[in-house]
Amino acid sequence: SSELTQDPAVSVALGQTVRITCQGDSLRTYYANWYQQRPGQAPVLVIYAKNNRPSGIPDRFSGSSSGDTASLTITGAQAEDEADYYCNSRDSSGNHLVFGGGTKLTVL
Amino acid sequence: QVQLQESGPGLVKPSQTLSLTCTVSGGSITSGAYYWSWIRQHPGKGLEWIGFIYYSGAAFYNPSLRSRLTISLDTSKNQFSLKLSSVTAADTAVYYCARVSSTASQQVDCWGQGTLVTVSS
Repeated sequence: SSELTQDPAVSVALGQTVRITCQGDSLRTYYANWYQQRPGQAPVLVIYAKNNRPSGIPDRFSGSSSGDTASLTITGAQAEDEADYYCNSRDSSGNHLVFGGGTKLTVL
Repeated sequence: QVQLQESGPGLVKPSQTLSLTCTVSGGSITSGAYYWSWIRQHPGKGLEWIGFIYYSGAAFYNPSLRSRLTISLDTSKNQFSLKLSSVTAADTAVYYCARVSSTASQQVDCWGQGTLVTVSS
């Protein structure tokens, strides 16, 4: 399968921990990457190769993976974390990229 | 700090060809460390990978768009381009050019600001 599945929406109380998941067969073979997209802006890479943070990304963002599911965890969510989050990976052929449908995170 | 900037018409008529160019500054598109990619986002929807090209000219396309799609490089101008033929209203989207790492994880580590292309008569 070349699909990555995400929950459409997740909410978290300010300061609490939230996990956003991404499921797909290709994740058994390839790493997941995660992107944050605020309204009207281009996406920003927040986690790559399962659990690596680009420079400038707060350490409250972390990634993990087990079997066909990858997860993005935000520990101590802040108001500015409210955004859409997308996972992506290579598809099962390894020659193409695929994105999950996105998860809208609301910080209450 | 590499920067990417899309350019091209914001309005395309149905059945015509959508053409966009991405100008890369602060880095060379002949670097073997990256693929150069196009990604689109339909209004209010998620991200869709269109395709990418390597400095060698090898291109990889989304199977659902392959028959209408060409991605090319212009190394003299440090640009890469997208051509999508026979467009319909379903091709209306924000189009992003982006840089993809050539490592195993192929993360998209740099994005252009995006450009809205509307297909309408």
